[in-house]
Amino acid sequence: DAKTTQPPSMDCAEGRAANLPCNHSTISGNEYVYWYRQIHSQGPQYIIHGLKNNETNEMASLIITEDRKSSTLILPHATLRDTAVYYCIVRVVDSWGKLQFGAGTQVVVTP
Amino acid sequence: EAGVTQFPSHSVIEKGQTVTLRCDPISGHDNLYWYRRVMGKEIKFLLHFVKESKQDESGMPNNRFLAERTGGTYSTLKVQPAELEDSGVYFCASSHPRRALGDTQYFGPGTRLTVL
Repeated sequence: DAKTTQPPSMDCAEGRAANLPCNHSTISGNEYVYWYRQIHSQGPQYIIHGLKNNETNEMASLIITEDRKSSTLILPHATLRDTAVYYCIVRVVDSWGKLQFGAGTQVVVTP
Repeated sequence: EAGVTQFPSHSVIEKGQTVTLRCDPISGHDNLYWYRRVMGKEIKFLLHFVKESKQDESGMPNNRFLAERTGGTYSTLKVQPAELEDSGVYFCASSHPRRALGDTQYFGPGTRLTVL
């Protein structure tokens, strides 16, 4: 699976959009981009995933660049409960195998 | 629908003792995974079951760790004998076997293991 690069931390004001970048320049054509997050003292939580089209669900939006070498997770209206470590993970399509977590981005939402 | 559950939530044992962690996956999920995070490090994969078979155990650190999933339902992870470096949080995750594209893993709350 391709390696990802994320900023170690970022702050966001409550109610504003949080835009979390992720670089995955070595991504292959058969690899998805997944986002998970871990709120303190809880297990990782799935957020969203995509292959090449932009995706949106009730939690977030995922924007993948046309060359697929980077992506952005958007939390449209951040709340204090969105404070967590966010992980961008690249994984082969149709794979039921392991997730490879990196260091992620520590997001702190402030009032 | 109940989520992934893990027991116990916390365990404190002394070096050399044995500890068994249990994971109950979401009903109907054939895929079951174990991960762990040791202090200050990233979350690391340990192993993957498909039903009762070990699909990938490449992340198991050594032979002091034994994972089982008899009957393809719940799983146990035994550490015997425990060492100080085994301290950390052990997560279990499960996923549905027949999702067409993209496999979403659902994680339990974890078991915090402290070896003194």
